[in-house]
Amino acid sequence: AQSVTQLGSHVSVSEGALVLLRCNYSSSVPPYLFWYVQYPNQGLQLLLKYTTGATLVKGINGFEAEFKKSETSFHLTKPSAHMSDAAEYFCAVSFYGNNRLAFGKGNQVVVIP
Amino acid sequence: EAGVAQSPRYKIIEKRQSVAFWCNPISGHATLYWYQQILGQGPKLLIQFQNNGVVDDSQLPKDRFSAERLKGVDSTLKIQPAKLEDSAVYLCASSLTGAGGQTDTQYFGPGTRLTVL
Repeated sequence: AQSVTQLGSHVSVSEGALVLLRCNYSSSVPPYLFWYVQYPNQGLQLLLKYTTGATLVKGINGFEAEFKKSETSFHLTKPSAHMSDAAEYFCAVSFYGNNRLAFGKGNQVVVIP
Repeated sequence: EAGVAQSPRYKIIEKRQSVAFWCNPISGHATLYWYQQILGQGPKLLIQFQNNGVVDDSQLPKDRFSAERLKGVDSTLKIQPAKLEDSAVYLCASSLTGAGGQTDTQYFGPGTRLTVL
C-alpha cells in the first residue's frame, strides 16, 4: 500500500529564512503528489501538485516542490518565510485509476519574528 | 464561486449518543469525499461518492458510521453510537469528476470538530 512520510511534526523557521519540509513516499507505481496547507479552523487548500511532466512544480504563495523519483521524495521549499506561512502542511499521494488521497501526518510550521 | 459548506462547525456529545454532519459540495462537482482527521494526524479517507453511488468505503467503520448522498448533491455522515475515539475533525471535500484516473483537485470544507465525552 502507498504511504507518505513527513518527519518532524513541528518545524520552526525564522522570518526570511528558507522553509524546507520533507516528504517521502513509498509506491511501486508512479504517484501523483500534492502539498496542502491548513490554516487554523479552516479546510485544506492545495498549494501545488505533481502529476506528469516537469519535475519542479511551482505553487501558490511562493512555494515550490521537486519530484525526485530516485529518492522517492517531493520536498516543499520557499526561499524566504513570511509570518503568514505559519500553518500546518500536509503531503499527500494518489495514483492513476482513483482520486483518493493518502496523507502524511503533517508539519506544523512556526515562523519566528 | 461558493466553496464546500459543512455544518455544524462544532459538536460536543456524550459517548453512545448519535450525531450527524452535513456537507454541500461545490456546485457541479460529481465526486464527494468524507475524511476523518484525528489530532496530530493527517486526514484519512472514510468514504468516496461518485454522484450518488459509493466508490470506496473500505475505511468506513460500518458498524457505527453511515453516509449517504441523496440525489448526488448534499451528503450526510452519521455516527451511531459514538465512541471516545471518534473525537476528530470531519472534513468534506469535492472534486469535479474524480473518475477514471483523473487527478482532479479536491476542494475541502472547513470541517466539523467533534468532541465525544
